[in-house]
Amino acid sequence: DSGVTQTPKHLITATGQRVTLRCSPRSGDLSVYWYQQSLDQGLQFLIHYYNGEERAKGNILERFSAQQFPDLHSELNLSSLELGDSALYFCASSVEGEKLFFGSGTQLSVL
Amino acid sequence: GNSVTQMEGPVTLSEEAFLTINCTYTATGYPSLFWYVQYPGEGLQLLLKATKADDKGSNKGFEATYRKETTSFHLEKGSVQVSDSAVYFCALSEAGRRALTFGSGTRLQVQP
Repeated sequence: DSGVTQTPKHLITATGQRVTLRCSPRSGDLSVYWYQQSLDQGLQFLIHYYNGEERAKGNILERFSAQQFPDLHSELNLSSLELGDSALYFCASSVEGEKLFFGSGTQLSVL
Repeated sequence: GNSVTQMEGPVTLSEEAFLTINCTYTATGYPSLFWYVQYPGEGLQLLLKATKADDKGSNKGFEATYRKETTSFHLEKGSVQVSDSAVYFCALSEAGRRALTFGSGTRLQVQP
């Protein structure tokens, strides 16, 4: 168990809809990262938050947004969903340095 | 930009065989290098890391050496077990950037 909790584990929705994925980092970790894993694109970095502030953006679409709250949990919002957004979304946390602890992911299926 | 290239999988081996998974990278600076492992239904876990040239990372019988001259970080294990079956990801992190850049992953299947 990495200590990183992601909910829900599975999410099935329709095109055009909006969903929110939630991540609770390990106790004490200030950094939260979001990654998207798909068969064709591999593991893509989306966004990094540190103590509530956005630190870095990767290949995140404009339809996607994220935030980190004062209690350090983070949410990834995906809107106007398309079939191609179907993927496994991972959250990872770290206190410092480069060792990331990953959650078990949210499997999103857009039908 | 940064990138990581891994050998295509799946790699299928018999138990106790020698394992090599190739990884090469492109980076503008002097990155730290990592191997992460993903077991079925789980998130990624750090397997080993190396932070500078000629460093050797090792864990659970796996080893990888940071080769700056060949920009490589190949993963090796002398004798694989069925329990090693997983997807292995090579990754890099440039100094000052916390986000990791991952390779596409290599699936390892070990048969008894």
